[in-house]
Amino acid sequence: IAGITQAPTSQILAAGRRMTLRCTQDMRHNAMYWYRQDLGLGLRLIHYSNTAGTTGKGEVPDGYSVSRANTDDFPLTLASAVPSQTSVYFCASSEGGSYNEQFFGPGTRLTVL
Amino acid sequence: GQNIDQPTEMTATEGAIVQINCTYQTSGFNGLFWYQQHAGEAPTFLSYNVLDGLEEKGRFSSFLSRSKGYSYLLLKELQMKDSASYLCAVRDSNYQLIWGAGTKLIIKP
Repeated sequence: IAGITQAPTSQILAAGRRMTLRCTQDMRHNAMYWYRQDLGLGLRLIHYSNTAGTTGKGEVPDGYSVSRANTDDFPLTLASAVPSQTSVYFCASSEGGSYNEQFFGPGTRLTVL
Repeated sequence: GQNIDQPTEMTATEGAIVQINCTYQTSGFNGLFWYQQHAGEAPTFLSYNVLDGLEEKGRFSSFLSRSKGYSYLLLKELQMKDSASYLCAVRDSNYQLIWGAGTKLIIKP
């Protein structure tokens, strides 16, 4: 089934721990994005990648890192989680960068205690 | 700074029409998107406007006025399944999407 998958669906994490959120798409889209969504706020861009091998910082990149080794995968890593990183994380992709609509994965609900 | 404003919540009746407004102040403008997001789910694309005017797609229409920094999403013949949050997003001069906080639409029978 074409689309975007994210793993895990949800996670409770102790502060200070390292965590990688996984994102895989099979639509061969060039661009991929990581957002966080918090109650009362709009989606905020963490990092993005316009094509495999390149990444860029979004609005709220601190405390997060990404890599884009191939077209399909775009993992997001929290090196040392803090409670303020409690959020719902969405991965998205689009064909040809931001020129086109973005398709979203189902999200990962992360709680940092 | 960049800002997208939408009402926090709206209520409408099944079968009626509702208009959700979005005003924006961004560094540059390269298009405006509307997405629908049901509770606990991912956003899904509804419409895109880059030129002034009305874009119609079935029961949903979206309007844009670039000079006023204003858009609206019009939903006709409301159904219970239209209960969701509606997100307005503007593509800025860097071609990144700036998102509003969303409007939660409650449909009553």
